[in-house]
Amino acid sequence: AQTVTQSQPEMSVQEAETVTLSCTYDTSESNYYLFWYKQPPSRQMILVIRQEAYKQQNATENRFSVNFQKAAKSFSLKISDSQLGDTAMYFCAFIDSNFGNEKLTFGTGTRLTIIP
Amino acid sequence: ETGVTQTPRHLVMGMTNKKSLKCEQHLGHNAMYWYKQSAKKPLELMFVYNFKEQTENNSVPSRFSPECPNSSHLFLHLHTLQPEDSALYLCASSLPGDEKLFFGSGTQLSVL
Repeated sequence: AQTVTQSQPEMSVQEAETVTLSCTYDTSESNYYLFWYKQPPSRQMILVIRQEAYKQQNATENRFSVNFQKAAKSFSLKISDSQLGDTAMYFCAFIDSNFGNEKLTFGTGTRLTIIP
Repeated sequence: ETGVTQTPRHLVMGMTNKKSLKCEQHLGHNAMYWYKQSAKKPLELMFVYNFKEQTENNSVPSRFSPECPNSSHLFLHLHTLQPEDSALYLCASSLPGDEKLFFGSGTQLSVL
């Protein structure tokens, strides 16, 4: 069974600084997708960034980028120039590309607080 | 607003009550999901519907009963719940075969 581990329950950083959230996963599959979802206080989960395992290039979405290390099974999220609106829970998630969304596995989340 | 609306936003119920959670999406999606989110635990998938047909029941107790009358609406009927069922219940939708999920804001349920 696939597992997703987020070892940092809580983090805080000053506004405008850079922060990195960690995620590791365990799978025997070679084709899969990895995701970071953001859940702000409004509770609505929003997809931040997605990475296909067959792509060597790290995904980037504006201030959000990932460091995907396939051999190490590591998938960290870097937030540059952090803003107050980045305060949220962040969930790492994994899915085997051979299965549908019913096999989507989430981590326990990291609560990120941006300090003014 | 991602197009997935859940009502009510908050719900407090006794263990003998019967209540229903509602989810509605206007994104043209054909797959809908119920998730349970408890503190310090990963999201737990409860049910999946594809084209109104239930395709996944993740060993959920029978006191939770889903209903999907059409591709835009999803309900979760609750009866004789236990205090440990208190959690945030999230609805999500997607296009079939698309791994990107769109979530609602959830219903925060408290069972007394």
